[in-house]
Amino acid sequence: GAGVSQTPSNKVTEKGKYVELRCDPISGHTALYWYRQSLGQGPEFLIYFQGTGAADDSGLPNDRFFAVRPEGSVSTLKIQRTERGDSAVYLCASSTSSKDTQYFGPGTRLTVL
Amino acid sequence: GEDVEQSLFLSVREGDSSVINCTYTDSSSTYLYWYKQEPGAGLQLLTYIFSNMDMKQDQRLTVLLNKKDKHLSLRIADTQTGDSAIYFCAESPGTALIFGKGTTLSVSS
Repeated sequence: GAGVSQTPSNKVTEKGKYVELRCDPISGHTALYWYRQSLGQGPEFLIYFQGTGAADDSGLPNDRFFAVRPEGSVSTLKIQRTERGDSAVYLCASSTSSKDTQYFGPGTRLTVL
Repeated sequence: GEDVEQSLFLSVREGDSSVINCTYTDSSSTYLYWYKQEPGAGLQLLTYIFSNMDMKQDQRLTVLLNKKDKHLSLRIADTQTGDSAIYFCAESPGTALIFGKGTTLSVSS
């Protein structure tokens, strides 16, 4: 079946702009995760959804970052007033339920100029 | 705190075995994972081991777990040039995965 998909694959924006990154999880997976991977680092956790609700948002770096999953499937990560330090690859993963194996999408490479 | 440590680079010749090592900190992790990342791509799940196991073998891959020392290793037998990638170890103390910085495996022919 189809894996996790993410759009766009690349996003270039200017400092101060607003961006939205989209994740489409594997069908039937109730758990969805966002991670951020900076150059030369491993992925770092941002937020976890179980169904429609954000069960753990402890990894969001500040209030410029927000994520939604209104219907319990597709999720959107929203970044306001982007800064150059937000440049990274944003990875989405899904699993059948929490604590099950996570399957990752290809990521969105965000570049803030 | 939580920290997963890996050596950063490993270089091997085609046909040799590769061993990638990892130390983790949280003994409550139920599963420990190995993911592979090729250039410009997302993370591909390679294998995982349940915390009450010592060893798991899956074709060319062997995972060894030493819970006492919190040490995890991934052995790739008969390494091929297509195995060149970054390999990430991850622990799972909660719902989120905690990753190491990754080991870059370079395979020369």
